[in-house]
Amino acid sequence: LAKTTQPISMDSYEGQEVNITCSHNNIATNDYITWYQQFPSQGPRFIIQGYKTKVTNEVASLFIPADRKSSTLSLPRVSLSDTAVYYCLVGEPRGSTLGRLYFGRGTQLTVWP
Amino acid sequence: GAVVSQHPSRVICKSGTSVKIECRSLDFQATTMFWYRQFPKQSLMLMATSNEGSKATYEQGVEKDKFLINHASLTLSTLTVTSAHPEDSSFYICSAVDRSNYGYTFGSGTRLTVV
Repeated sequence: LAKTTQPISMDSYEGQEVNITCSHNNIATNDYITWYQQFPSQGPRFIIQGYKTKVTNEVASLFIPADRKSSTLSLPRVSLSDTAVYYCLVGEPRGSTLGRLYFGRGTQLTVWP
Repeated sequence: GAVVSQHPSRVICKSGTSVKIECRSLDFQATTMFWYRQFPKQSLMLMATSNEGSKATYEQGVEKDKFLINHASLTLSTLTVTSAHPEDSSFYICSAVDRSNYGYTFGSGTRLTVV
């Protein structure tokens, strides 16, 4: 399993763009990168998944360089409600396998008014 | 979207008693469910993989006789914490895999407090 490294915490202000980078030097050829968001006392919520280059959905963008050894979750114009822990996971793609998900330490994002 | 319901959301039990936590997929069938435990300020730790109609697979270091898992139907998995002790107090979260598209959906979690 590829190990991931993320910053433990980040701070931002409302309206700013936040970029959270995840390192995964040992990512395997078949691995996808998936990001989850977790609020206190709730289960994680899927944000976005990608394999290479750039993926964008209604809430975030995911940038993956050509070597795939890192990835960056970009949250545009954050609000107070984006304060949460963000987890980067590397493994089998969500949507095609029954593989187990192992969570790393995650990044606590705090958005200030 | 897919919804996974966990019940109860909070439970307090006395030391030495057992408590059962239910995980239900409300609008999809889940052949596989996962159980996690999360201590305060820590990440989710995978405890076991629950497969419908078969025995659960436990992660290394997780006591299978203490954490009993039953996955009797395609929409229900249960985790029973037997002879609970204060150190079992934690946030327990389940995740269900939709057999039609293999998407993962997490439940809202159960806060267990053993007194």
